[in-house]
Amino acid sequence: GAVVSQHPSRVICKSGTSVKIECRSLDFQATTMFWYRQFPKQSLMLMATSNEGSKATYEQGVEKDKFLINHASLTLSTLTVTSAHPEDSSFYICSARVSGPETEAFFGQGTRLTVV
Amino acid sequence: AQSVTQLDSQVPVFEEAPVELRCNYSSSVSVYLFWYVQYPNQGLQLLLKYLSGSTLVKGINGFEAEFNKSQTSFHLRKPSVHISDTAEYFCAVTGGYQKVTFGTGTKLQVIP
Repeated sequence: GAVVSQHPSRVICKSGTSVKIECRSLDFQATTMFWYRQFPKQSLMLMATSNEGSKATYEQGVEKDKFLINHASLTLSTLTVTSAHPEDSSFYICSARVSGPETEAFFGQGTRLTVV
Repeated sequence: AQSVTQLDSQVPVFEEAPVELRCNYSSSVSVYLFWYVQYPNQGLQLLLKYLSGSTLVKGINGFEAEFNKSQTSFHLRKPSVHISDTAEYFCAVTGGYQKVTFGTGTKLQVIP
């Protein structure tokens, strides 16, 4: 199947700093990518839908100024956690689809963010 | 709107025993249903999917699921589990919407 690569897999940062997470589709073009956040022992919460060349669509309750999403090309989307705080510590996962909703979503391996 | 319910948060089962993980969904449009598996600190991997046609879907690692439209269910089954099946399993639905809606997940614990 298609491969989605997410980096870094783990990152520890100081409170107040910003962290960028990259999500790349390696062997297909993804017009739409999705960013999820997963809390311990909980399901995946969709944060935003990222469309190439346009602004991301954020889910209700997600701060767009804090979680900056850029989908600069058909193979790359980035999530920047700005001015990170300990409560932003979580597991972040990106996914991408080749085309419409009938196709499976391919997931990155996730990024464990720890803010100290 | 669409939603997914996984009633069982944890399912312990002995090795080589059968298992069923339950999933119910609701949607106002036709749906596509998926089961994903997540190993610790990893992303999700597709087990199987239902798009149309035969209601019994076979996936990887010996798993299968049956789509039941009248009961709005898509339960996952395996006749004989292995230690390596210990993981968290997510049922998901898409439909007329781009986004994927996930259930809350079921942790399968295989006991030796």
